[in-house]
Amino acid sequence: GAGVSQTPSNKVTEKGKYVELRCDPISGHTALYWYRQSLGQGPEFLIYFQGTGAADDSGLPNDRFFAVRPEGSVSTLKIQRTERGDSAVYLCASSLYPQETQYFGPGTRLLVL
Amino acid sequence: AQKVTQAQTEISVVEKEDVTLDCVYETRDTTYYLFWYKQPPSGELVFLIRRNSFDEQNEISGRYSWNFQKSTSSFNFTITASQVVDSAVYFCALSGSFMNTGFQKLVFGTGTRLLVSP
Repeated sequence: GAGVSQTPSNKVTEKGKYVELRCDPISGHTALYWYRQSLGQGPEFLIYFQGTGAADDSGLPNDRFFAVRPEGSVSTLKIQRTERGDSAVYLCASSLYPQETQYFGPGTRLLVL
Repeated sequence: AQKVTQAQTEISVVEKEDVTLDCVYETRDTTYYLFWYKQPPSGELVFLIRRNSFDEQNEISGRYSWNFQKSTSSFNFTITASQVVDSAVYFCALSGSFMNTGFQKLVFGTGTRLLVSP
């Protein structure tokens, strides 16, 4: 079946702009996660959804970052007033249940000029 | 706090050589999970293995094998007879007890880039 998909694959924006990154999890997966991967680093946890609710958002760096999952499937990560330091690859993952293995999408490469 | 250390930044081998990628972890949890993921140039993280802390049995899957040693807090990954297609960045990850966090909160190492040349 289809894996996790993310759009866009690349996003270039200017400092101060607003961006939205979309994640489509594996069908039927209840848990969804966002990670951020800076160059030369491993992914870092941002937020976890169980169903429609954000069960753990402890990894979000500040209040410019927000994520939603209104119908318990697709999720959108929103970044306001982007800064150059936000440039990274944003990875989405999903799992059937929270204790199960996470499967990752190809990521969105965000570049803030 | 959870921590994963992958001290090898980059390894270069010639095809058919065996190669071992090291992973050392730190955790105070008595129940935890260890993972390896592969990240090819396409960028997608590919799941390879998950191991829980109560299962120290080594695992072999084709050319891949994993050595889990709680005594040294290590979970090393060996590729036997490496191939060019094995070239990728490999990440070791750790998750604490699901009962503590409610989900598998992955903490990743910085990765080891493996280059296999023909």
